[in-house]
Amino acid sequence: QKEVEQDPGPLSVPEGAIVSLNCTYSNSAFQYFMWYRQYSRKGPELLMYTYSSGNKEDGRFTAQVDKSSKYISLFIRDSQPSDSATYLCAMTFEGDDKIIFGKGTRLHILP
Amino acid sequence: DTEVTQTPKHLVMGMTNKKSLKCEQHMGHRAMYWYKQKAKKPPELMFVYSYEKLSINESVPSRFSPECPNSSLLNLHLHALQPEDSALYLCASSLGHSNQPQHFGDGTRLSIL
Repeated sequence: QKEVEQDPGPLSVPEGAIVSLNCTYSNSAFQYFMWYRQYSRKGPELLMYTYSSGNKEDGRFTAQVDKSSKYISLFIRDSQPSDSATYLCAMTFEGDDKIIFGKGTRLHILP
Repeated sequence: DTEVTQTPKHLVMGMTNKKSLKCEQHMGHRAMYWYKQKAKKPPELMFVYSYEKLSINESVPSRFSPECPNSSLLNLHLHALQPEDSALYLCASSLGHSNQPQHFGDGTRLSIL
């Protein structure tokens, strides 16, 4: 199975809060783990990707992969209204051109 | 601005029209993709070109016809579309034909009358 579970939200949090977005997956063969951000009427923007377990940090964003639990997370620190968007987790298999997307979580940062 | 450029941004066409969507990337990527995205849904894969050869066709109706003139360009030719084909059409590219992350354009919003 190549399924990815993601809560569609919406998730509303006050400005400045830490946001935690999560996905679970069932197939341990997934290798690349990605987070995309999509604003209304725009294409998905690749935020972060990682090939292995552990954490990867980029500014206010931290991506975390736990392969033993089949769980990935995206943390946003000091959230801003401009972070309001849909966040899609995505995964790929070795040797496969297809991305398996989660359904996306709609995030609202309240000023 | 994204590094994958799609034109036009918006397109309205009748069911008997023929039109084309265009996509261009200058990142040296060798794999290019077409996706269809409906509102509040994730993108759905339509076609994959790897090194300018069609490698995946996700059983898309023949009224959609892809073309890859060279490694930087990707077209999607449209003919006799149906109202349910109204959607955001996204182009993406990746470094090679393996499982590497894909970079998306901002899409063409297509409306079929």
